[in-house]
Amino acid sequence: ETGVTQSPTHLIKTRGQQVTLRCSSQSGHNTVSWYQQALGQGPQFIFQYYREEENGRGNFPPRFSGLQFPNYSSELNVNALELDDSALYLCASSLEGDKEKLFFGSGTQLSVL
Amino acid sequence: RKEVEQDPGPFNVPEGATVAFNCTYSNSASQSFFWYRQDCRKEPKLLMSVYSSGNEDGRFTAQLNRASQYISLLIRDSKLSDSATYLCVVRRGSTLGRLYFGRGTQLTVWP
Repeated sequence: ETGVTQSPTHLIKTRGQQVTLRCSSQSGHNTVSWYQQALGQGPQFIFQYYREEENGRGNFPPRFSGLQFPNYSSELNVNALELDDSALYLCASSLEGDKEKLFFGSGTQLSVL
Repeated sequence: RKEVEQDPGPFNVPEGATVAFNCTYSNSASQSFFWYRQDCRKEPKLLMSVYSSGNEDGRFTAQLNRASQYISLLIRDSKLSDSATYLCVVRRGSTLGRLYFGRGTQLTVWP
């Protein structure tokens, strides 16, 4: 087990709704990144947080936002959901001093109808 | 042009076969290279890092050609349990840099 927990595992929403996905990392994992994986594609980088501040962002619109908390948990928020937002959302964390090794959560499968 | 290009396959091979996957990356600033394995709709798991000198881990051999910006993975003596999607991954710059994933190559090993 990676020690990274994501919730919920599955979620169904309708277009226009908002969703919050959660990730809980191990103690000391102060870097967390979020990825979107559409069916048949590789994961695409959404953004990364380091010590509670965003320090990198991929090609995603502002309706994708995030937070990282002092207790090593984080959130991905998506507003105004679109059908194309249907995907597996993965979070990955790494430990201070060993940033090469990423620990992935098992993901949240989001379906937008 | 995508950051990482991979042949999506699928590759269907019998047990015991040798199979090779290739990928190319577009940005010469890429500094770290990996192969990840992903089982159906589960999280990617690191299979191995790839070093310029080439490296081997049991039945798996990875090669990197920086001049050609080309990465390969060779699997010898395929097992049923090797059936998965193999993702080619690169990282640029600092260790806080994002990962760039290829779309993955699907492998099915049949008895």
